[in-house]
Amino acid sequence: DTAVSQTPKYLVTQMGNDKSIKCEQNLGHDTMYWYKQDSKKFLKIMFSYNNKELIINETVPNRFSPKSPDKAHLNLHINSLELGDSAVYFCASSPGGRNTGELFFGEGSRLTVL
Amino acid sequence: GQSLEQPSEVTAVEGAIVQINCTYQTSGFYGLSWYQQHDGGAPTFLSYNALDGLEETGRFSSFLSRSDSYGYLLLQELQMKDSASYFCAVRDWRSQGNLIFGKGTKLSVKP
Repeated sequence: DTAVSQTPKYLVTQMGNDKSIKCEQNLGHDTMYWYKQDSKKFLKIMFSYNNKELIINETVPNRFSPKSPDKAHLNLHINSLELGDSAVYFCASSPGGRNTGELFFGEGSRLTVL
Repeated sequence: GQSLEQPSEVTAVEGAIVQINCTYQTSGFYGLSWYQQHDGGAPTFLSYNALDGLEETGRFSSFLSRSDSYGYLLLQELQMKDSASYFCAVRDWRSQGNLIFGKGTKLSVKP
């Protein structure tokens, strides 16, 4: 069983569209995250979500919104896509809040905006 | 804010030992992690140091000096499969416990 799974793995879309990426973890972890990895491989935290507490990186545009229907899921919704949104988006989870340096990453979702 | 510095690229030969350094500036430091990422893959956890000293896990070791705001990842008996990007990452008060990653070091292992 995949511990952290994301869908879709690849997403190609036009500028201005709205899209979502889904993430599920079956590890029973309390905290989930979204990271963006750009073409230079820079991994940047976007959001973390723990027991209904959302922490947003202040640099993330409000076109990006996380949605968590339950503890095992943290989906990413993106409105009005722009060329600069093209990147690989990684979902991750960790146990016991943030008292660990270990994250479990999904396989990534490569978003291409044309 | 936080900043992490690590070399952008390192090249070594099979069987050798390589050390990847990481220096950081943070507020209220919690710990330093290391991750490996192969091209097209996901980052995978290697180690976490919260206290000073050396942590050994097989061929990989990680070191931390909190007073020097410095750590390193040591890879021994290099194998071709170790060719990947290696990221250091810090947790601190300012990031509210979230992991902040360095820009990564691309390791190329040659035969």
